[in-house]
Amino acid sequence: DAGVTQSPTHLIKTRGQQVTLRCSPISGHKSVSWYQQVLGQGPQFIFQYYEKEERGRGNFPDRFSARQFPNYSSELNVNALLLGDSALYLCASSVARDGSSGANVLTFGAGSRLTVL
Amino acid sequence: LAKTTQPISMDSYEGQEVNITCSHNNIATNDYITWYQQFPSQGPRFIIQGYKTKVTNEVASLFIPADRKSSTLSLPRVSLSDTAVYYCLVGVRDMRFGAGTRLTVKP
Repeated sequence: DAGVTQSPTHLIKTRGQQVTLRCSPISGHKSVSWYQQVLGQGPQFIFQYYEKEERGRGNFPDRFSARQFPNYSSELNVNALLLGDSALYLCASSVARDGSSGANVLTFGAGSRLTVL
Repeated sequence: LAKTTQPISMDSYEGQEVNITCSHNNIATNDYITWYQQFPSQGPRFIIQGYKTKVTNEVASLFIPADRKSSTLSLPRVSLSDTAVYYCLVGVRDMRFGAGTRLTVKP
């Protein structure tokens, strides 16, 4: 059974450019969450999507946006890239949005490492 | 959202039992406690989850006191491959990570 897949695995951009990262959740998982992890820090929550709607948003500027498609895959877009956006971007999927049947156990992909020059 | 506090780092030796405690004083009634393990350049991996008392699986145990204001992850007989960062998360959705505990296992 395929796990959470993310693409691309690595990419290099320059300041001011735009980037799109993609995530395919585990089959049957309807919730996708995005995290940014800077070297040496814990993952920082960016967005959660469930059933194609935004269900949670972290403390990130409007340059960050995301969407979820009918097949539950998701894209994270970052506009006007800054040097500080260099990080590992993690996608996680889960079965449910909330704790209706236990807490939201997350399964993570391997991440997309973005370098902004 | 309940805030969590963990030790920044811990050292241990192979074969020892390691206990990592997480404080979550503002835990809500319906919050679960979940622990993840992360190796460098990989996504976090689920270890164990609990709501109250004690939970055990093939890799770890989770102890939760009656007031649920803290929890302790117990790793029996650690090996060098257990060197990683361990995160405690509390919540039902919008799972937010803290800084985690960097565990170093020495030979």
